[in-house]
Amino acid sequence: QKEVEQNSGPLSVPEGAIASLNCTYSDRVSQSFFWYRQYSGKSPELIMSIYSNGDKEDGRFTAQLNKASQYVSLLIRDSQPSDSATYLCAVRGNGNQFYFGTGTSLTVIP
Amino acid sequence: EAGVVQSPRYKIIEKKQPVAFWCNPISGHNTLYWYRQNLGQGPELLIRYENEEAVDDSQLPKDRFSAERLKGVDSTLKIQPAELGDSAVYLCASSRRTGGGWGYTFGSGTRLTVV
Repeated sequence: QKEVEQNSGPLSVPEGAIASLNCTYSDRVSQSFFWYRQYSGKSPELIMSIYSNGDKEDGRFTAQLNKASQYVSLLIRDSQPSDSATYLCAVRGNGNQFYFGTGTSLTVIP
Repeated sequence: EAGVVQSPRYKIIEKKQPVAFWCNPISGHNTLYWYRQNLGQGPELLIRYENEEAVDDSQLPKDRFSAERLKGVDSTLKIQPAELGDSAVYLCASSRRTGGGWGYTFGSGTRLTVV
């Protein structure tokens, strides 16, 4: 079983809609969770981090964490074509290990 | 602050040749990571350093890959000899604990093509 699981997609949403990206993790002691955006040919860029249960909002992005269910999600409101990218979920394990999912490809259709 | 610097950006080599990648982490970041990312996949950890000590190298193919981080700052990753399957993007990242959590930053990566 992989440490971090994501649906690979592709996920397509119309411009202005809400995009919902999901991630599950296997290590119950994980404490830190991250969402990265990666444009084609570029390196991953951190867009959200969340450390406690509940929601964390930053502009059009909302990260949701449920440690009991070992589930992290990212919502993108008012999706824009510039949001089209691959979104990577990452989990910080015990110590300083960071585990990445395989990423979900998002396309926002104008 | 300057980001994580990697070089070269691109490298094309013939199989069986050696290749080396260089990484300069963000100043003050004691933890350094080397990842390999294949097309359509997430980054896979190759090795993690805490200062100059390699604390997690379980995924590093030690028969052909080696890494070092002298003086706990810059790091190099070497492949010798390279194989066709080594074609990938090699990413360096560094991190440190900040007041509100973790700062974790990737370099721009080195795209390796083995022909």
